[in-house]
Amino acid sequence: DGGITQSPKYLFRKEGQNVTLSCEQNLNHDAMYWYRQDPGQGLRLIYYSQIVNDFQKGDIAEGYSVSREKKESFPLTVTSAQKNPTAFYLCASSRAGGNEQFFGPGTRLTVL
Amino acid sequence: QKEVEQNSGPLSVPEGAIASLNCTYSDRGSQSFFWYRQYSGKSPELIMSIYSNGDKEDGRFTAQLNKASQYVSLLIRDSQPSDSATYLCAVGLSGNTGKLIFGQGTTLQVKP
Repeated sequence: DGGITQSPKYLFRKEGQNVTLSCEQNLNHDAMYWYRQDPGQGLRLIYYSQIVNDFQKGDIAEGYSVSREKKESFPLTVTSAQKNPTAFYLCASSRAGGNEQFFGPGTRLTVL
Repeated sequence: QKEVEQNSGPLSVPEGAIASLNCTYSDRGSQSFFWYRQYSGKSPELIMSIYSNGDKEDGRFTAQLNKASQYVSLLIRDSQPSDSATYLCAVGLSGNTGKLIFGQGTTLQVKP
């Protein structure tokens, strides 16, 4: 089955800790994206990558970091510099040159 | 700042009625438009894509696009309680970035 997986489903972080959210896809998509969703809000773009070993900041990149060492994987690290990290984090992917994005199941991060 | 506007609702319709969801966008150069359905606590699911002016039908769903008015809509015929969800409008930014801008979503309630 082709698809996008995210882990863990739920994550709890203490203040001052860095945490890494996993995103893997087997759709052979070139582009991958990380979004954040807060209650009652739309999706806001954190980082995106259109090709391996290259990525760009989205609208709210401060306090986050990413890597894209493999086509299939695009992990997101939420650093201690992110002051309000509690949110629903969504990873998506799309074909090169295409805008149709498909989402993983999401990771719900809570800061204790 | 490119924007996508949706009425947050809730939009309440009786079972069997037509639900009409609307979206306006600010980027005149946008060429791709999407509707996602998001059930509570779940990730968005792509249900319709539209690229040309006019109507596009898929089952009970019809997407309508008017680029001159910068307006996209989604009609759901014969609404079912299972259609109750938040519907997100997404617009592809002009330029070959693959980036989407999302509206905040319209919550639809279909009452039996």
